[in-house]
Amino acid sequence: ETGVTQTPRHLVMGMTNKKSLKCEQHLGHNAMYWYKQSAKKPLELMFVYNFKEQTENNSVPSRFSPECPNSSHLFLHLHTLQPEDSALYLCASSPLRDRAYEQYFGPGTRLTVT
Amino acid sequence: QKEVEQDPGPLSVPEGAIVSLNCTYSNSAFQYFMWYRQYSRKGPELLMYTYSSGNKEDGRFTAQVDKSSKYISLFIRDSQPSDSATYLCAISGAGSYQLTFGKGTKLSVIP
Repeated sequence: ETGVTQTPRHLVMGMTNKKSLKCEQHLGHNAMYWYKQSAKKPLELMFVYNFKEQTENNSVPSRFSPECPNSSHLFLHLHTLQPEDSALYLCASSPLRDRAYEQYFGPGTRLTVT
Repeated sequence: QKEVEQDPGPLSVPEGAIVSLNCTYSNSAFQYFMWYRQYSRKGPELLMYTYSSGNKEDGRFTAQVDKSSKYISLFIRDSQPSDSATYLCAISGAGSYQLTFGKGTKLSVIP
């Protein structure tokens, strides 16, 4: 079992709903990441946080809103999503932002937008 | 040209075979080379990372980097059914937070 947990593991939501994904890491890391994994596509980096500060927003639509209250917790708030947003959303952490080669991933949240 | 190319497979081998998984990349500035294993309905699990060129071994797994050819490999010796998963290569520059992933190769080891 990894030191990164994510809840919920599965989520089905309508296009007008608002929901949040939660990630928690127990590794003492200081950098946290959100990725999107779609079928037949490479993992896409969405957001990067380093010591609670957002350092990267990879041109992600505003219907995705991240929040990092401390170095151990990361949220992804979702609203008015589109069906093409259906994917596996992965959280990861690393000791420091510039040690991306030591990223550890959580199990992911499988999101389906109806 | 895509930054990282990885044959998606699927690749099917008999138990006990030696498996070779490969990626090519285009940017010679990359310095770190990672291999992840992802089981169905799970997140990617870091197997190992290699800095610059050379080999790195961990049990039945060997990672190899050839920077002159921009080619990285993962070898699995004595493959087991439990090795059946999708294997992702990822690369990164020194001091970078960006990982560039391949699409993954789906491996099945048949008992």
